[in-house]
Amino acid sequence: QVQLQESGPGLVKPSETLSLTCTVSGYSISSGYYWGWIRQPPGKGLEWIGSIYHSGSTYYNPSLKSRVTISVDTSKNQFSLKLSSVTAADTAVYYCARDAGINGDWGLILTGYFDLWGRGTLVTVSS
Amino acid sequence: AIRMTQSPSSFSASTGDRVTITCRASQGISSYLAWYQQKPGKAPKLLIYAASTLQSGVPSRFSGSGSGTDFTLTISCLQSEDFATYYCQQYYSYPPFTFGPGTKVDIK
Repeated sequence: QVQLQESGPGLVKPSETLSLTCTVSGYSISSGYYWGWIRQPPGKGLEWIGSIYHSGSTYYNPSLKSRVTISVDTSKNQFSLKLSSVTAADTAVYYCARDAGINGDWGLILTGYFDLWGRGTLVTVSS
Repeated sequence: AIRMTQSPSSFSASTGDRVTITCRASQGISSYLAWYQQKPGKAPKLLIYAASTLQSGVPSRFSGSGSGTDFTLTISCLQSEDFATYYCQQYYSYPPFTFGPGTKVDIK
């Protein structure tokens, strides 16, 4: 059974960098799929942040691209999110998720929708 | 970026009702649309992808239709566990993938 679990600080100061890790269990990230980060400000809707393949190939939301870095560590079966220069507007529940993937000629292809999600972690930006 | 809208933003319904939620894309997205259900304090759950394909394990009372710019999610016979917020999401054009603002279904 594949499971995803977010971890990281729940409180970050303004102008600092938010760092979160998603640990995947029950499946080897190296085997395929894209993996993504989505966030949800309190009481608001969902915003896709970005997605990464085990090879390191990434897609980012242009509205956040200048501040976002998503990386993968296949040895730890984890992928991570860094968001720099945070403000109160970055306060949100951050979810990691698995892109559903479809079989292509050379492996799983990015679909863009997410079939497995972590439970989410609330990150508050405040001094 | 493609903008997604949903209507209504919220409504009340009773168990057993047939309910329909509408999602509209700012430009054509073929059938590259997913629907999610989210309950308070929980992660979203994928219900439907490709506009009308039911995700494994999702009850058949859920159905989706549409293509191009206009889509609907229908719950044929609302159950108590269906009271939640529903989001549509386009994955036709990226980045970015974009979500609708959500439709909250609560108990009448």
